[in-house]
Amino acid sequence: GESVGLHLPTLSVQEGDNSIINCAYSNSASDYFIWYKQESGKGPQFIIDIRSNMDKRQGQRVTVLLNKTVKHLSLQIAATQPGDSAVYFCAETQHNNDMRFGAGTRLTVKP
Amino acid sequence: EAGVTQSPTHLIKTRGQQATLRCSPISGHTSVYWYQQALGLGLQFLLWYDEGEERNRGNFPPRFSGRQFPNYSSELNVNALELEDSALYLCASSSFGEAFFGQGTRLTVV
Repeated sequence: GESVGLHLPTLSVQEGDNSIINCAYSNSASDYFIWYKQESGKGPQFIIDIRSNMDKRQGQRVTVLLNKTVKHLSLQIAATQPGDSAVYFCAETQHNNDMRFGAGTRLTVKP
Repeated sequence: EAGVTQSPTHLIKTRGQQATLRCSPISGHTSVYWYQQALGLGLQFLLWYDEGEERNRGNFPPRFSGRQFPNYSSELNVNALELEDSALYLCASSSFGEAFFGQGTRLTVV
């Protein structure tokens, strides 16, 4: 759903571990979901997307899971690396319109 | 192909002044989104333009306004600047799906 002006929740993981970042979305009619990664000083960059007719999609080291029953989206990063440290946002859209972002999660990878 | 471009990269204004931020979308994209991102915080939805019209607006005062031109580029105007308007302003463009972001305009109000 729409993000609010709160400080970002944080997730700290050890290098090499798997990371799971969660997102709750607000609109049950949303049919397209995207995960973005934002590194310090840069704009958000696309990571992976999923449509509502799927419940899982895999990319390189990343997997997105969609649970429409509870309106929940998760991003799994395998073998987390220091370069994965960033803020991660989920986004939802309905009929390719009006993209809304979640609040974001700051991922910190410890060496 | 050029990505989303925003100008200026940095902007310093005095409280009470007006700021104009510009965004050029990816060629062929008709939708432009504006977001505000205060330091350390998430993305706050400001405005959404599509096909030259304002489609939706976030919970911001009327002194935040904008427009989309016939070539789908967009301007964000902030009047009567306040110190708390200092933030990174991000523009994104999309066409039926994934949104692509620009690098943002860092607005500092002193």
